[in-house]
Amino acid sequence: DTEVTQTPKHLVMGMTNKKSLKCEQHMGHRAMYWYKQKAKKPPELMFVYSYEKLSINESVPSRFSPECPNSSLLNLHLHALQPEDSALYLCASSKTERNTGELFFGEGSRLTVL
Amino acid sequence: AQSVTQPDIHITVSEGASLELRCNYSYGATPYLFWYVQSPGQGLQLLLKYFSGDTLVQGIKGFEAEFKRSQSSFNLRKPSVHWSDAAEYFCAVVLGSSNTGKLIFGQGTTLQVKP
Repeated sequence: DTEVTQTPKHLVMGMTNKKSLKCEQHMGHRAMYWYKQKAKKPPELMFVYSYEKLSINESVPSRFSPECPNSSLLNLHLHALQPEDSALYLCASSKTERNTGELFFGEGSRLTVL
Repeated sequence: AQSVTQPDIHITVSEGASLELRCNYSYGATPYLFWYVQSPGQGLQLLLKYFSGDTLVQGIKGFEAEFKRSQSSFNLRKPSVHWSDAAEYFCAVVLGSSNTGKLIFGQGTTLQVKP
């Protein structure tokens, strides 16, 4: 199994809603990532989890709250988002946090904030 | 500052024609180098990587790339493009000595394939 699975594929939410994005991998990878990608732009790193501990937070606003319940799962909790947060949110994993750049990406969750 | 530059924002080639996508990096040492591809509405997929050794690397889907230290370049090539190659291509680097190396992406090149 070389897949990273993200749900939901599409999400529309209001600025007062609370929602979550989910990511799952069963490759035994110990590092997991959240990236944000705006249209026609490269992905931007948000968070890195290594061995289920948050190791990198790229100064992401607190309205985004990551969670890593176990080595296979990664969540991104969303609350009080702004319309400019609308984007494709990509989850990725790698064998370890010593990031050799070989990331496995999911297909993304496309978020629209109204 | 560390950077990755993809000079071509958009390239159009005819199906069956050859392809070269350019990538230049700015670092003191040789980084780890990558090309990723993103089809419309999809996540990114690793095409190929260069860590060390042979400067011509082969990847998936018939792609290859050549590392040229003197030019700080890592250009992606394919001898004959297929319509399914239409996608966004990202060059990326990671500093090899970093324990928490971040993958730094170029701005991307959009490839359009004409029938």
